[in-house]
Amino acid sequence: KAGVTQTPRYLIKTRGQQVTLSCSPISGHRSVSWYQQTPGQGLQFLFEYFSETQRNKGNFPGRFSGRQFSNSRSEMNVSTLELGDSALYLCASSFNTGAGANVLTFGAGSRLTVL
Amino acid sequence: QKEVEQNSGPLSVPEGAIASLNCTYSDRGSQSFFWYRQYSGKSPELIMFIYSNGDKEDGRFTAQLNKASQYVSLLIRDSQPSDSATYLCAVKDADFNKFYFGSGTKLNVKP
Repeated sequence: KAGVTQTPRYLIKTRGQQVTLSCSPISGHRSVSWYQQTPGQGLQFLFEYFSETQRNKGNFPGRFSGRQFSNSRSEMNVSTLELGDSALYLCASSFNTGAGANVLTFGAGSRLTVL
Repeated sequence: QKEVEQNSGPLSVPEGAIASLNCTYSDRGSQSFFWYRQYSGKSPELIMFIYSNGDKEDGRFTAQLNKASQYVSLLIRDSQPSDSATYLCAVKDADFNKFYFGSGTKLNVKP
């Protein structure tokens, strides 16, 4: 069973540019979440998508956005990049989607460097 | 702001010893707790999860949960150098499908 696939794995951008990251969840997983990991802040929740709808959102500015397609694949976009956006962006998919039992499986991540 | 606290370490233990990792959380309503292991340069991988008070064992790993005291711990028995990694404690929000992570405890197992 294929895991969570994220592309690209590494990318370098300059301030002011925008970036789009892609995530393909485990087959059958309908929930896709995005997290940002930095040395200073650790892992922070960005947003979660389920059935093409954003269900939950973290405390990030509107420059961070995402979407989910009918095949559950998800993309996240960061516009007007800032130096502080340099981070490892992790996508995670999960099967159970209610308030009960749930397990996140992470992809390998996309490491973004903003110069 | 819901918080998850971990000692950042590093925690150094000799090979074969028991490593004890601790985590406290602020959301009293949380019901699901997870331990992830993250090797340097890699993404987090699930070790185990626990929902009920008490102990849960899986091989060399034992998770312990005390909801009244709002803490979760992970014991690693017979620690191996390959266990050297950062261990992340995660708590699922009581109402929503989002998780709060601690900053992680770095474990060094010395041969």
